[in-house]
Amino acid sequence: GDSVTQMEGPVTLSEEAFLTINCTYTATGYPSLFWYVQYPGEGLQLLLKATKADDKGSNKGFEATYRKETTSFHLEKGSVQVSDSAVYFCALRSDQGGSEKLVFGKGTKLTVNP
Amino acid sequence: ETGVTQSPTHLIKTRGQQVTLRCSSQSGHNTVSWYQQALGQGPQFIFQYYREEENGRGNFPPRFSGLQFPNYSSELNVNALELDDSALYLCASSLWAGGAEAFFGQGTRLTVV
Repeated sequence: GDSVTQMEGPVTLSEEAFLTINCTYTATGYPSLFWYVQYPGEGLQLLLKATKADDKGSNKGFEATYRKETTSFHLEKGSVQVSDSAVYFCALRSDQGGSEKLVFGKGTKLTVNP
Repeated sequence: ETGVTQSPTHLIKTRGQQVTLRCSSQSGHNTVSWYQQALGQGPQFIFQYYREEENGRGNFPPRFSGLQFPNYSSELNVNALELDDSALYLCASSLWAGGAEAFFGQGTRLTVV
């Protein structure tokens, strides 16, 4: 079945450092890809998405490019802030079985220190 | 436009009991999906409801069941609770239109003791 593998954390960075969180996927066809963020005690918020190969999703300084050849969707940010501290989940949307379900990675916890 | 709301936010149950969790979908959305997120893990798909019918199910036993109502709100019922059912349960609503974005509620934290 479809699956997502993302870089294990936790990741600890200083403010203004460069962030990369790796994500690769296995899927039949060409799924849509997502990054979600979860702040402590909250549900999931969509951070960015890409629906086809070579698409770049971006939001709040975060970017990720849909790479079909490497089946990857790595999350990057040039300069992180303390407020970016959260858990980040990579996900794909699978249409198997007639439903549109999201398949998530295990999450990467990011802590940004001042 | 109201977002996805879930109730209760927290609850504690005893092993063997039954529990019902509720979700109000975002205005205009007709599809609800439920996910289980164990501590330190990513969310796992439980099932999805569209027009009051179950429309896909993940790898969860039959003691996990659900309902969707005419106003598109939904319930998740879990019978014969086990300790491993302790998790954050997330509801997501969307508009069934082939690729519409899903919006998540804040979740219900269930603890089974």
